[in-house]
Amino acid sequence: DAGVIQSPRHEVTEMGQEVTLRCKPISGHNSLFWYRQTMMRGLELLIYFNNNVPIDDSGMPEDRFSAKMPNASFSTLKIQPSEPRDSAVYFCASSFVGGSYEQYFGPGTRLTVT
Amino acid sequence: AQSVAQPEDQVNVAEGNPLTVKCTYSVSGNPYLFWYVQYPNRGLQFLLKYITGDNLVKGSYGFEAEFNKSQTSFHLKKPSALVSDSALYFCAVKGGSYIPTFGRGTSLIVHP
Repeated sequence: DAGVIQSPRHEVTEMGQEVTLRCKPISGHNSLFWYRQTMMRGLELLIYFNNNVPIDDSGMPEDRFSAKMPNASFSTLKIQPSEPRDSAVYFCASSFVGGSYEQYFGPGTRLTVT
Repeated sequence: AQSVAQPEDQVNVAEGNPLTVKCTYSVSGNPYLFWYVQYPNRGLQFLLKYITGDNLVKGSYGFEAEFNKSQTSFHLKKPSALVSDSALYFCAVKGGSYIPTFGRGTSLIVHP
């Protein structure tokens, strides 16, 4: 398996623009997590999906953030409109809940909002 | 509620010396415990886990961790550090929730 795939790897955009981050989890995994990492705040959980259904979105910062998982092999995290304080590295991770629970992380998307 | 603490922001060790990265946790019920490593500009990478059984767990790259229930600790260890072990290390715990809680991370620096 290729592991968790994220795209794009880098994104530079201007304040106010819409940003869409994409994730393909490991085949067979039933759970998907979106995280944000910054120096100041560390690793933050944004949202957790189980069997394509959002279970916990309490970490989503505000209404500008939304996430979808239309099927077991694809998820998106959208920021609209983007702001400079959204600059961070965004990770997607997948796991098999009900099995061993360890998470497998993608390489991340480094987002810079100017 | 579940929580995990990594009391050291940074650990410095000389190459060839043993290393320990500390982790303590709080959780209801039996814990699932994990260690992850993050190299620069990379995602977190799973190292090892404890679910049940032997308190000493062996993982990738020669790392091991010891589960201590009475001290609620799960310290990461390696008998002989390598410069290439320099990275950010995260401890995580999962209790009854499906969602694990991560610590803030410990930066390990191995000096030649």
